[in-house]
Amino acid sequence: DIQMTQSPSSLSASVGDRVTITCRASQGISNSLAWYQQKPGKAPKLLLYAASRLESGVPSRFSGSGSGTDYTLTISSLQPEDFATYYCQQYYSTPTWTFGQGTKVEIK
Amino acid sequence: QLQLQESGPGLVKPSETLSLTCTVSGGSISSSSYYWGWIRQPPGKGLEWIGSIYYSGSTYYNPSLKSRVTISVDTSKNQFSLKLSSVTAADTAVYYCANYGDYVDYWGQGTLVTVSS
Repeated sequence: DIQMTQSPSSLSASVGDRVTITCRASQGISNSLAWYQQKPGKAPKLLLYAASRLESGVPSRFSGSGSGTDYTLTISSLQPEDFATYYCQQYYSTPTWTFGQGTKVEIK
Repeated sequence: QLQLQESGPGLVKPSETLSLTCTVSGGSISSSSYYWGWIRQPPGKGLEWIGSIYYSGSTYYNPSLKSRVTISVDTSKNQFSLKLSSVTAADTAVYYCANYGDYVDYWGQGTLVTVSS
């Protein structure tokens, strides 16, 4: 099974800050990575796929990068609506998946 | 635009079988080359993929749950279902049904299932 390790598990940041979240796979996943945002009581929302492709309608302050086993989600200027929990998900081994354990972005 | 809606008991006793149904509207469950699956989230914790069924009927399960999980499709009702046997308190979670290719395109709203006597 492919394991996904996200870091940090939580972070505190202020509006306007640049935020970076990392996801590491236990083996290479060839950019087969998606990022989701989840707010309390809601289903996750797809932000990016193929490691760096922005889903339609997602603000351009969200970006993704990486290759091989290491991937990054960056929020260039944190907005009030961005305080949420973020998850990575590998689909290299589709139809079996794994998610990262999540990163909670809180207000400083 | 697909819409998915979970339904089923919100309370299940330990050792019993959890049964949930996902009703699909806005499209046919048998007409597209996508997966229909289940993902769960224990309170305050992360997401766990449970398993999926392909439109052709092939099933795929999380190895950690495989011995207890069955996912099936009822094309006549445009529904798919989850059965999880021998539940314990650790199975208490919000259960989401989902439609996906590689990543989730559509989610249900989620339903909380509590395992308690």
